[in-house]
Amino acid sequence: EIVLTQSPATLSLSPGERATLSCRASQSVSTYLAWYQQKPGQAPRLLIYDASNRATGIPARFSGSGSGTDFTLTISSLEPEDFAVYYCQQRTTWPQFGPGTKVDIK
Amino acid sequence: EVQLLESGGGLVQPGGSLRLSCAASGFTFSNYAMTWVRQAPGKGLEWVSAIINSGGSTYYADSVKGRFTISRDNSKNTLYLQMNSLRAEDTAVYYCAKGTKAVTGTSYFDYWGQGTLVTVSS
Repeated sequence: EIVLTQSPATLSLSPGERATLSCRASQSVSTYLAWYQQKPGQAPRLLIYDASNRATGIPARFSGSGSGTDFTLTISSLEPEDFAVYYCQQRTTWPQFGPGTKVDIK
Repeated sequence: EVQLLESGGGLVQPGGSLRLSCAASGFTFSNYAMTWVRQAPGKGLEWVSAIINSGGSTYYADSVKGRFTISRDNSKNTLYLQMNSLRAEDTAVYYCAKGTKAVTGTSYFDYWGQGTLVTVSS
């Protein structure tokens, strides 16, 4: 079973700062990795798929990179609406989600 | 506009049963795999089950295998999750989500419903 780990668990930043979130897989998932954003009381929203492709309607400040076992979600300049929890998900075997990274306001 | 509307959640005793429904609109339902994902209170996301576009293949997480049954009615654009032998650890918000592919149990999920809360407690 592939295990996804995300770091850090919490990231405290100010609006305008750059956010770098990490997702690591216990074995290679090629580029079959997605990122989701979830705000309190809301359903998750797909941000990035296949490691680096932005989903429909996602702003350009969100970017993804990586392959194999190491992946990164970067938010170039945090907007107030970006403070949320972010999950990675792999789809090589069965869908699996990472434990999440909370981006909160410093 | 794609819409997914779950219903059927509620309070049920341990060992009881519940059937969730997800009404889909705004896309060709029969062209996509669908899935259920749950989220226990204050916890992360857990994939539960998936079904391919035709309904011909279904997939389950080990935690629900043998107790939950996923199905779909493409004539009604509706996804179902029959949950039997419910346990306290099944307490969660259950989301239905649209897959980005048709004939696979594993994909990404580009649209989600608002979720329905299932509480298993005596």
